[in-house]
Amino acid sequence: NAGVTQTPKFQVLKTGQSMTLQCAQDMNHNSMYWYRQDPGMGLRLIYYSASEGTTDKGEVPNGYNVSRLNKREFSLRLESAAPSQTSVYFCASSILTRVEAFFGQGTRLTVV
Amino acid sequence: QQQVKQSPQSLIVQKGGIPIINCAYENTAFDYFPWYQQFPGKGPALLIAIRPDVSEKKEGRFTISFNKSAKQFSLHIMDSQPGDSATYFCAASIQRGNKLVFGAGTILRVKS
Repeated sequence: NAGVTQTPKFQVLKTGQSMTLQCAQDMNHNSMYWYRQDPGMGLRLIYYSASEGTTDKGEVPNGYNVSRLNKREFSLRLESAAPSQTSVYFCASSILTRVEAFFGQGTRLTVV
Repeated sequence: QQQVKQSPQSLIVQKGGIPIINCAYENTAFDYFPWYQQFPGKGPALLIAIRPDVSEKKEGRFTISFNKSAKQFSLHIMDSQPGDSATYFCAASIQRGNKLVFGAGTILRVKS
């Protein structure tokens, strides 16, 4: 089983450029999440989707948008990248009635 | 404002030692407290979790101690091994919310 797959693994953007981070899970999970990881800050929730067709803001949503394309896929879009968005981004998924989250391997994004 | 405070930031122990990582929380609505382990270049993975109706949970060499009145919980790693060297995150959630709030992380190094 692939679990949670994120693409790309690495990306460098110039300030003002846009891009979409892709995430897909093959575990038939209902809920999906986007986190960012920064040194000394732990993981902070950007957006989540409790179930297909719904999305909601997390702790740090500014500068991001999401789309729950179907049950398997949840994408994160940066419309106009800023250096403050340099981070490692993790997608995760979980079964609705249980809280254990399964994480992808991350996307390391650098905005210059 | 970090809802879950984790300490220390980093920890070095000798092989066979017992590293202890501590976390504290404020929100009394939290009812699920997992610990995640992350190796370099990988996403976090669930290590062990506890609910507030028990004071201790053991899984192999890993033990969570939970003090509900003090709103604190900790991870102990018995007979630590170099392979345990990783970053450890405590987290908390309200079960039905399916959203995890993470501590800042502890970088553990076990010297052989």
